[in-house]
Amino acid sequence: QQQVKQSPQSLIVQKGGISIINCAYENTAFDYFPWYQQFPGKGPALLIAIRPDVSEKKEGRFTISFNKSAKQFSLHIMDSQPGDSATYFCAASCNAGNNRKLIWGLGTSLAVNP
Amino acid sequence: DVKVTQSSRYLVKRTGEKVFLECVQDMDHENMFWYRQDPGLGLRLIYFSYDVKMKEKGDIPEGYSVSREKKERFSLILESASTNQTSMYLCASREDPSGGYTFGSGTRLTVV
Repeated sequence: QQQVKQSPQSLIVQKGGISIINCAYENTAFDYFPWYQQFPGKGPALLIAIRPDVSEKKEGRFTISFNKSAKQFSLHIMDSQPGDSATYFCAASCNAGNNRKLIWGLGTSLAVNP
Repeated sequence: DVKVTQSSRYLVKRTGEKVFLECVQDMDHENMFWYRQDPGLGLRLIYFSYDVKMKEKGDIPEGYSVSREKKERFSLILESASTNQTSMYLCASREDPSGGYTFGSGTRLTVV
């Protein structure tokens, strides 16, 4: 049973466009929502993360929007560049002490055309 | 920057072999994880460890074991490799439960 549902599975965007990836969750105990970026041949790398006390977090061209009532969060990539082409994973976790583990979405493959 | 190093990028093993995948992190992180990544299945947690000599099963521990004798090193062991264990294996570490993960570059294991 997948607890974090990510969409779309793949996305093609033109250079300069906005890339939007969405995630939905069921567990209201989740309190940490990170996004990871993975380039081919590399492990995922933490891109940006949000906690539910804020509705939006921005770091450069990357923004997380968080809707607690809808149990959804999304990643927006503004002015998308070919170098942003990668697989993006959303994830969520709840406070379980040492047993805090990330529950992962299945990933979105983003291709930014030049 | 924290570095997580996986000993092999590519590995080819025969069915039935005992396989060791090694992972070392250099920033004194408490928590370490082993994942496998398969197309369409995302990242699946095999085992994790929150302290030396401590281990916890993840979502798919069958056919695997782990060892953490020193804080910086977390080993994944395939007791008797099978073809369905052909996959990309990713190691990660985390400073504390509230922090982000740092991943290694992965080991692509092929079992023939």
